[in-house]
Amino acid sequence: GQNIDQPTEMTATEGAIVQINCTYQTSGFNGLFWYQQHAGEAPTFLSYNVLDGLEEKGRFSSFLSRSKGYSYLLLKELQMKDSASYLCAVWTNAGKSTFGDGTTLTVKP
Amino acid sequence: EAGVTQFPSHSVIEKGQTVTLRCDPISGHDNLYWYRRVMGKEIKFLLHFVKESKQDESGMPNNRFLAERTGGTYSTLKVQPAELEDSGVYFCASSRDGDHSNYGYTFGSGTRLTVV
Repeated sequence: GQNIDQPTEMTATEGAIVQINCTYQTSGFNGLFWYQQHAGEAPTFLSYNVLDGLEEKGRFSSFLSRSKGYSYLLLKELQMKDSASYLCAVWTNAGKSTFGDGTTLTVKP
Repeated sequence: EAGVTQFPSHSVIEKGQTVTLRCDPISGHDNLYWYRRVMGKEIKFLLHFVKESKQDESGMPNNRFLAERTGGTYSTLKVQPAELEDSGVYFCASSRDGDHSNYGYTFGSGTRLTVV
């Protein structure tokens, strides 16, 4: 089966850096997605990691360690609009993604 | 291009009634997925269509749920009869290919189903 863990809630200050961790135990691992979901809206794609290492995309970066079953999403220069739920999802060779519960990030002034 | 469209956005029905949710994927997207989020828990997989065929329906909770995708375009998810525990947000997502690593799924905004 699949097991994905991420913190339920995090709070950070505008302009700061925050790291959201995700650990997973799964079989048939293909890669790992991060999605952002604002309240009442659809989840939107942020990043995908398949190889170990850091993928940087503007203010957002995502890291993967396949051997450790670990990923993180790094958000820099936080803005108020970054307040949202961040979903870690593992894509397996079964052809579907399995999601964690999501981390609700609150950015305060 | 138009995004993934779900209808209705909200539905409140009584226990025992029937509800049909609809999803219009992005045109040309062969892969269509249904997920649901119940009581603030994780978004759980329900099933996966490739064109009109059910590729994987291992997440369907029981036989009260019936999904169809006639003609390989839009999909419907029918719940009959609805139970209280079916309340939640039902998301539809689509992708052009099974390998969607470059762009992930495109999700609809979801249908919030409340069974009372």
